[in-house]
Amino acid sequence: NAGVTQTPKFRVLKTGQSMTLLCAQDMNHEYMYWYRQDPGMGLRLIHYSVGEGTTAKGEVPDGYNVSRLKKQNFLLGLESAAPSQTSVYFCASSDTGGQIYGYTFGSGTRLTVV
Amino acid sequence: GESVGLHLPTLSVQEGDNSIINCAYSNSASDYFIWYKQESGKGPQFIIDIRSNMDKRQGQRVTVLLNKTVKHLSLQIAATQPGDSAVYFCAENNRDDKIIFGKGTRLHILP
Repeated sequence: NAGVTQTPKFRVLKTGQSMTLLCAQDMNHEYMYWYRQDPGMGLRLIHYSVGEGTTAKGEVPDGYNVSRLKKQNFLLGLESAAPSQTSVYFCASSDTGGQIYGYTFGSGTRLTVV
Repeated sequence: GESVGLHLPTLSVQEGDNSIINCAYSNSASDYFIWYKQESGKGPQFIIDIRSNMDKRQGQRVTVLLNKTVKHLSLQIAATQPGDSAVYFCAENNRDDKIIFGKGTRLHILP
C-alpha cells in the first residue's frame, strides 16, 4: 500500500516552461488536494477535487490548472511557469473530506523556476 | 476571516523534558482539530485529532487539549526525544471538505 505518490520529486524549470505534477493514491479516496508550501506561509490550498471529474479552486489557484480524469490521479499543471511558483508542492487525499483522520499527504515535489 | 495561528514559531526543549505547542483558532464553528508533524524533506504526517465535544485526547506520548471557551488548542509531547524534531501544524475543519492549516511551530530538541 503506497498511499499518496507524487512525481517528480524535484524539478527545475525555466520561466515560461510548462509542466505537470502527478499525484496518485491507492486508497480509493474521493477527495484530493494540491497545496503549496513556502517558508513562513504554511500550507496554502491551490485546487482540490471532491470526486472523479470534479475540480474546485482553493486559496491560490492563479497560474495553475488541474484535472481529475481518474479517481486515483490528480494532476497539477503549470502552463507558463514563473519564479513566484518556486515552492514545495504537496498532494493529499482523504475519504471524508478531512473530517476523519485528516488528510494523507505525499512526500512533495520541490519545484524551482529560474 | 478564518485563521489558525500559533503562538511561537520556534520552540527549543531539552531532551527528556515535556514539550507544549500551542495553537489559537478563530472559527467557533470548527468542530474537528488535527495536529500534524512534518519532518525535514517529508510531507505532513497525522499525529492526533480531537473533536469539539471533547476537551482532551491522549495518544502514545502525545496529548491534545482543546479549550473551546478561549479557542485554544495545544499539543503536549511527553519525554521529548531527538526524533520529535520537526515542524508541528495544527489544523481545523468546520464541517467543510477542506482543512485550514496553521503556519507551524518548529520544535528543536536540545541535547
